[in-house]
Amino acid sequence: DAGVIQSPRHEVTEMGQEVTLRCKPISGHNSLFWYRQTMMRGLELLIYFNNNVPIDDSGMPEDRFSAKMPNASFSTLKIQPSEPRDSAVYFCASRSPFAGDEQFFGPGTRLTVL
Amino acid sequence: DAKTTQPTSMDCAEGRAANLPCNHSTISGNEYVYWYRQIHSQGPQYIIHGLKNNETNEMASLIITEDRKSSTLILPHATLRDTAVYYCIVRANFGNEKLTFGTGTRLTIIP
Repeated sequence: DAGVIQSPRHEVTEMGQEVTLRCKPISGHNSLFWYRQTMMRGLELLIYFNNNVPIDDSGMPEDRFSAKMPNASFSTLKIQPSEPRDSAVYFCASRSPFAGDEQFFGPGTRLTVL
Repeated sequence: DAKTTQPTSMDCAEGRAANLPCNHSTISGNEYVYWYRQIHSQGPQYIIHGLKNNETNEMASLIITEDRKSSTLILPHATLRDTAVYYCIVRANFGNEKLTFGTGTRLTIIP
């Protein structure tokens, strides 16, 4: 199994630009999580989906952030417009409904907004 | 979810057992103790979890005190690859998928 796949691995953009981060969960997993990690705030949950439905988006910082999961094998996290304070590592994780409670994390996308 | 308290950092000699403590004095009866670790520049990795009995898997052992107010993660024979930040998380399983990561313990394995 390839694990959770995230793209791009690194993104550098200018303030005001739209940024789209992508995630492919492990096949068969029905829960998907988006986290953000910064030095100041640590690792924080932004939003999670169960069976493609957003369950809790209370961690999404503001309206500039949006997440979608159009099908069981793909999710996006979009920031529009991006700001320098959005610079962080964004992790996607997925979880199986059958194999215990473990969340499997992807390698992350390092976003730098200039 | 109950809060956890962990030491900021610890060192351990290679080959020795690494014992990482975690305090969770406000844990409630339906909350589990989870441990994850994050090796530099990687995503977090699940290690182990338990409710009240001690647990062991191929990576580590989890010892939970009888009153459940604290626990210890044990890496029996630490290697340099175990250098990471270790997170202790308390969470109720039923109806709650969220993991709330604190600041964790930065464990350094010394050659």
